Formats: sequence, C-alpha cells, structure tokens
Amino acid sequence: DSGVTQTPKHLITATGQRVTLRCSPRSGDLSVYWYQQSLDQGLQFLIQYYNGEERAKGNILERFSAQQFPDLHSELNLSSLELGDSALYFCASSAPRTGYFYGYTFGSGTRLTVV
Amino acid sequence: GQQVMQIPQYQHVQEGEDFTTYCNSSTTLSNIQWYKQRPGGHPVFLIQLVKSGEVKKQKRLTFQFGEAKKNSSLHITATQTTDVGTYFCAGPAGSGGYQKVTFGIGTKLQVIP
Repeated sequence: DSGVTQTPKHLITATGQRVTLRCSPRSGDLSVYWYQQSLDQGLQFLIQYYNGEERAKGNILERFSAQQFPDLHSELNLSSLELGDSALYFCASSAPRTGYFYGYTFGSGTRLTVV
Repeated sequence: GQQVMQIPQYQHVQEGEDFTTYCNSSTTLSNIQWYKQRPGGHPVFLIQLVKSGEVKKQKRLTFQFGEAKKNSSLHITATQTTDVGTYFCAGPAGSGGYQKVTFGIGTKLQVIP
C-alpha cells in the first residue's frame, strides 16, 4: 500500500458518458498529480494541484477537468467519453509539509475502459 | 517544451546479464528521478539524483547523473527475474519546487530465465 488511494480500480462505461475518478493523497502530501497511461505508453501528465489550487496543466483535454478539495483529495472528471480515452489513470502525490522531496508516490490507478 | 528521451524502449536479457537504460534531456535538469513499474503495477520511486556527476547505488542498481546534468543512466548488474518491469526516468518541468515532472517513454525490461 503506497498510501495514495485511488477509486474505483476498474471502470467500464459507454461512449458519451461521464465518470469521476477519485484520489486521496498520502497523508501529509499537498500536491496531487494526474497521469494517463495508455497501453504500452509512457505517462502523460494531465494536471497538478497544490494545496487546493491548480498549479500546472499538461495535455489535458477540454472534456476533462479536475479539482482538489480542502481535505486534499482530488477528483478527475472525464466527460463525453470516447473509445480513445480508455487507459490507466494514475494519481500521484508529493510535496509533504516537511518540505523534503522523496519522489512521487503513485496510487494503484484506475483502469478505464470505454466501450 | 522540455523532453526526456529514453533508450532503448525494449530490452530482453538473459538472466544474469547486465542491463543499462539511458535518459537524455534537451535541457539541463536540476535533478532526475528514476521509477520502476512492474507489469500490472504502478510506478514506484527508486531514486533522485541532484549533483553533477553523481553516482548512487542500490544493491545491483547503479544510477548516474551526467556532468552536464543532461543525461542519466541506470545499470543493473546480473539481472534477475524480479527486475522485470518498465524503468522510467523523469525530469522536472518548470522552476521552483514540487513542479510536474516529464517522464521518459520508459524502457521495458524482460528477463529470460
């Protein structure tokens, strides 16, 4: 258990639908990052939040949005889903309040299948 | 924007052989990180290198950061089947702390017993 919790682990949905992926960062971490990993592909950065505020944006589609709540958990919303959105979505956390960086801690991911 | 290139993309080795993956950046990096992702798993942080020319070892794994801080390598001595997975390097993209990092495409290592 990495300390980063992602739910659900698996999600199967139809094209055109909307889903919400949830992430709870490791205790004490302030930053949450969302990454997309397609089959045999690298990790594509989507978006970063730090202590509730959006800090950086990557290759995130307009159909996707995210937020980080006061308790630091984050949600990634994917709408108007297309077949090509099928992928593993990882959440990672970092930036502990102590200020010592020890790399990203990844959750186990949500596998999204759009049919 | 900054890119982190990683080679090779795939590597098959016989158990007991050595393995090396290389990472190159188009810009100078303040640090570089290495992660390992087992099949079906999530990336796990291995190490961070910060200083020019830095070399760090973790058992059979040796990590190097180039003098110009634009390249890095991960070398595994005498591979074992437990080394199977994809190894990613990652460099910070942006200034300041806690910024996003850019991941290389990864090197998928297959170890043949």
